Amino acid sequence: EPEVTQTPSHQVTQMGQEVILRCVPISNHLYFYWYRQILGQKVEFLVSFYNNEISEKSEIFDDQFSVERPDGSNFTLKIRSTKLEDSAMYFCASSESLAGPNEQFFGPGTRLTVL
Amino acid sequence: AQSVTQLDSHVSVSEGTPVLLRCNYSSSYSPSLFWYVQHPNKGLQLLLKYTSAATLVKGINGFEAEFKKSETSFHLTKPSAHMSDAAEYFCVVSEGHYAGNNRKLIWGLGTSLAVNP
Repeated sequence: EPEVTQTPSHQVTQMGQEVILRCVPISNHLYFYWYRQILGQKVEFLVSFYNNEISEKSEIFDDQFSVERPDGSNFTLKIRSTKLEDSAMYFCASSESLAGPNEQFFGPGTRLTVL
Repeated sequence: AQSVTQLDSHVSVSEGTPVLLRCNYSSSYSPSLFWYVQHPNKGLQLLLKYTSAATLVKGINGFEAEFKKSETSFHLTKPSAHMSDAAEYFCVVSEGHYAGNNRKLIWGLGTSLAVNP
């Protein structure tokens, strides 16, 4: 069964460093998303991506964040200069198209720890 | 604005007894509603979804949910709990495809379900 994959499963970094979180969405899906979940808090929407551009982003998704689909299969989230408060579980998701119900398929997540 | 309230942060049941996880939502549009489950160290898995068809929705692993517009509720139920049901459950709302490209999901805080032998 096709699934969304994410690497790494756990990333530890120093404050101020750049990190790139990687995702491989399901191959025929057209919409891609990043969410994050800070420990003990709600899962929060970060950004959606369609047709090689951002279609929506939240207030959390400031200039420190960027997304890219570099090669037609990977979908990456970059944080340029990490802060302590960026520590969270980051989930990637993908969905098929506009035509059907808005079902999003999620990866297992990357746990980011900023020291 | 959309929002989701899960009324219980923790629910504990005995194996073989019914499960009820409560969810209320707020949405300006005709919503799509979902329940996702997260087992320890696993990703988020879709249990079931409501998208303006039948109000009683059946999902995987024997779970059901009923959309009640008058009560703005979408409670999750299962007649008989199994040990493997122990997990975190999230109620989620989306404006749905009628709202165009706005496909983001709005999440509840989650309900942790414990199943006792």
